[in-house]
Amino acid sequence: GQQVMQIPQYQHVQEGEDFTTYCNSSTTLSNIQWYKQRPGGHPVFLIQLVKSGEVKKQKRLTFQFGEAKKNSSLHITATQTTDVGTYFCAGGNAGGTSYGKLTFGQGTILTVHP
Amino acid sequence: GAGVSQTPSNKVTEKGKYVELRCDPISGHTALYWYRQSLGQGPEFLIYFQGTGAADDSGLPNDRFFAVRPEGSVSTLKIQRTERGDSAVYLCASSPEWSQGESGYTFGSGTRLTVV
Repeated sequence: GQQVMQIPQYQHVQEGEDFTTYCNSSTTLSNIQWYKQRPGGHPVFLIQLVKSGEVKKQKRLTFQFGEAKKNSSLHITATQTTDVGTYFCAGGNAGGTSYGKLTFGQGTILTVHP
Repeated sequence: GAGVSQTPSNKVTEKGKYVELRCDPISGHTALYWYRQSLGQGPEFLIYFQGTGAADDSGLPNDRFFAVRPEGSVSTLKIQRTERGDSAVYLCASSPEWSQGESGYTFGSGTRLTVV
């Protein structure tokens, strides 16, 4: 079945440093979504990418979808303590019949030291 | 309602007992999903409803797990003969009818199930 892997598993940064997490799928994806989960909270939707090579920005966050639609990245510029949490990518299955189903990666836990 | 509501927020049950977990999605959202999340892991897909029907139940681990959504709104996840390995946070999410648009899932706060 489809597998989605994320690296790194953990990332500790000093406030103001940049952060990047990478997501790789074993199969071609129809789309990829990114979620943020604060400690003790539930996943909150950040963004969706659907086109090959797509790049989207949200303030200090930059999201990319690979040309082959099998990988993605999230980059945060100049981290702040409010960025603390776990970042998940979640891929949709290209060519599948279950268009609503997403496969989540295991997440990258970001810690920001003030 | 304004968000996805899940009840109870916490459930402690004895091994072998039956439990029901309830999810009330955002009004008008036709798609409803159940995931479960173990500590340190990403959400794991269980089942997905489009309207009243289960569009994909391939994630249900075995026949002890069953979910319904009889009127296309509220859903109940039912677990029979609970085992300690069923302990996890059960997350429900909803979304508008699936399209290639900009919407994602809206998750509820989850039900933390502990089987002792």
